[in-house]
Amino acid sequence: EAGVTQFPSHSVIEKGQTVTLRCDPISGHDNLYWYRRVMGKEIKFLLHFVKESKQDESGMPNNRFLAERTGGTYSTLKVQPAELEDSGVYFCASSQPGTSYEQYFGPGTRLTVT
Amino acid sequence: QKEVEQNSGPLSVPEGAIASLNCTYSDRGSQSFFWYRQYSGKSPELIMFIYSNGDKEDGRFTAQLNKASQYVSLLIRDSQPSDSATYLCAPSRGGKLIFGQGTELSVKP
Repeated sequence: EAGVTQFPSHSVIEKGQTVTLRCDPISGHDNLYWYRRVMGKEIKFLLHFVKESKQDESGMPNNRFLAERTGGTYSTLKVQPAELEDSGVYFCASSQPGTSYEQYFGPGTRLTVT
Repeated sequence: QKEVEQNSGPLSVPEGAIASLNCTYSDRGSQSFFWYRQYSGKSPELIMFIYSNGDKEDGRFTAQLNKASQYVSLLIRDSQPSDSATYLCAPSRGGKLIFGQGTELSVKP
């Protein structure tokens, strides 16, 4: 069974540009999460999808970030316009239906904003 | 005060010894508790999880939970050099994981 996949693995963009990150969860996993780790800090929760619905988006830093999960399959996280402080590693995780199940992480996308 | 506190380390143990990793958390509504291992430059890898007070064993790993003290720990028996990594404690509430900064473990041959 394939694990969580993320694309791209690395992205380098200039301040003010737009970047879209993609996450494909494990097949059958209704729950999809986005997390972010900025340099020197702990991994922080961004948001949680249950199928195509946003269950919790309390961790989204501001309205420059837009997450979607069309059809309840893959998810995208768009940053527009990107700022220097958005640099970091963006992780996606998925889990089975329910909130007590273990989350499996993808390899992450390293975003560098210059 | 951080929501999840872990000693940053590094914690250095000799090969074959027991490594003890500790974590305290502030949210009494946390429902389940996860331990992840993260090698440098890699993503978090789930080791084990615990829901109930007491001990839970899985191979060389034992998780311990004390909700009254808001304390969770991970013991690694017969530590191997391949166990050298950063260990992340992550309480969960409603599915949302709250991570500590992690404890760096170094197992010396």
